[in-house]
Amino acid sequence: DTGVSQDPRHKITKRGQNVTFRCDPISEHNRLYWYRQTLGQGPEFLTYFQNEAQLEKSRLLSDRFSAERPKGSFSTLEIQRTEQGDSAMYLCASSSTGLAVAKNIQYFGAGTRLSVL
Amino acid sequence: QKEVEQNSGPLSVPEGAIASLNCTYSDRGSQSFFWYRQYSGKSPELIMSIYSNGDKEDGRFTAQLNKASQYVSLLIRDSQPSDSATYLCAVTNNAGNMLTFGGGTRLMVKP
Repeated sequence: DTGVSQDPRHKITKRGQNVTFRCDPISEHNRLYWYRQTLGQGPEFLTYFQNEAQLEKSRLLSDRFSAERPKGSFSTLEIQRTEQGDSAMYLCASSSTGLAVAKNIQYFGAGTRLSVL
Repeated sequence: QKEVEQNSGPLSVPEGAIASLNCTYSDRGSQSFFWYRQYSGKSPELIMSIYSNGDKEDGRFTAQLNKASQYVSLLIRDSQPSDSATYLCAVTNNAGNMLTFGGGTRLMVKP
């Protein structure tokens, strides 16, 4: 499988617990993005990496959220002290700056659906 | 005001008809424009990208861009029941980093 891979696909947790999601981008892609999507809405940007550097974070990303991409390959998104409002689909996407930056074609993984009880 | 606006629908068309989906955006500096298809419970799948004014055709899909009017559209010819999904319009900023999505238009193609 050469697409974007996310794990786990589903996560059910209790309020106050910490959760961590993993994303493996398309192998030759140097950019990796995290988005969040709630029911009936379009995805909302959270943060993105170019190689191992986190270059932009949305103001949606509260202090409880942290993302890493330590070796410029896979990335993790951790949510601490989860709240019911964190329930959403968390989507990862990747792209390559080998193409012109303006092109920025992002390919999405299957997502991790988080339910906070 | 949302940065990318779409009619939420549902847009219902009969099988074989042309479906027309519309999107407006507020940032005049937007550079790249995309249409993604999303089936219920699945992730967005890229179906069209467009970067300059005019039309771009790919099979049954045609994307149209008018930067002066800040308007993007997607036409689906010979609509099939399998085209029933939510269609998301997305644009990138000047730096070409994050995608800003509209809320999506739900399309229903009736046999």
